[in-house]
Amino acid sequence: GIQVEQSPPDLILQEGANSTLRCNFSDSVNNLQWFHQNPWGQLINLFYIPSGTKQNGRLSATTVATERYSLLYISSSQTTDSGVYFCAVRDDKIIFGKGTRLHILP
Amino acid sequence: DAMVIQNPRYQVTQFGKPVTLSCSQTLNHNVMYWYQQKSSQAPKLLFHYYDKDFNNEADTPDNFQSRRPNTSFCFLDIRSPGLGDAAMYLCATSSSASGRYNEQFFGPGTRLTVL
Repeated sequence: GIQVEQSPPDLILQEGANSTLRCNFSDSVNNLQWFHQNPWGQLINLFYIPSGTKQNGRLSATTVATERYSLLYISSSQTTDSGVYFCAVRDDKIIFGKGTRLHILP
Repeated sequence: DAMVIQNPRYQVTQFGKPVTLSCSQTLNHNVMYWYQQKSSQAPKLLFHYYDKDFNNEADTPDNFQSRRPNTSFCFLDIRSPGLGDAAMYLCATSSSASGRYNEQFFGPGTRLTVL
C-alpha cells in the first residue's frame, strides 16, 4: 500500500517564526488533505489539496502530485498553531501520515 | 452551522461492559467513517458506511461493530471493551455528490477510558 511520510516529526519554534511541513507519499493518490489536531483532539480541516497551491490567511499549501509530495507553510506562527499536523491521502483507502508535532513558544 | 457532532465527549466504561458511541451530522453527507486514535498515533480507520453499505477494514477486530439507522446518525458499538481499546474515537463524514468525494470533516471525538 501507499506509504505516507511526514517531516519533521517534531518542531519547536518561537512565536513569529515561519515553518514548512512536508508530506511525501509513495504512489499516485486521488486526493490529499492537511489537518491540524488541536490539544483537545479535534481534527480541523486546513486544506483539501490534491494538486496545486492554496492559501488561507497565514497558512498555505502546495501539492506536486507528479513528484509525490505536499508542503504546508505556516507564517508568523502563533501559540495557537501548536498541535499535531497530519496529512492524509487516499488511493483505494485513506492513509494518514504519523504527523508533525509543532510547539510554538511564546 | 453544519457540523459533525459526537456524544459523549468523554466516556468511561468497565472492562468487558458494552459501550456505544454516537455520531450525528447536519452536513447531509452520504459517507460516514469511524476512526480509532491512540495516544501519539495517527487515526486508524475502523470502517465506513457508503450510504447504507458497510465497509469494514480488514484488521478491525470483531469486537467493534457499527450501525447507521439513517443518513444523519452512525453508532460505534464496542461489545466487550478491553484495556487496549482505550482511545479517542473520531467520526468523520464526506460527500460523493460534489465531486470532492474524499474531503472529510471530523467531529470533536469521544475519548474512551476503560477501567
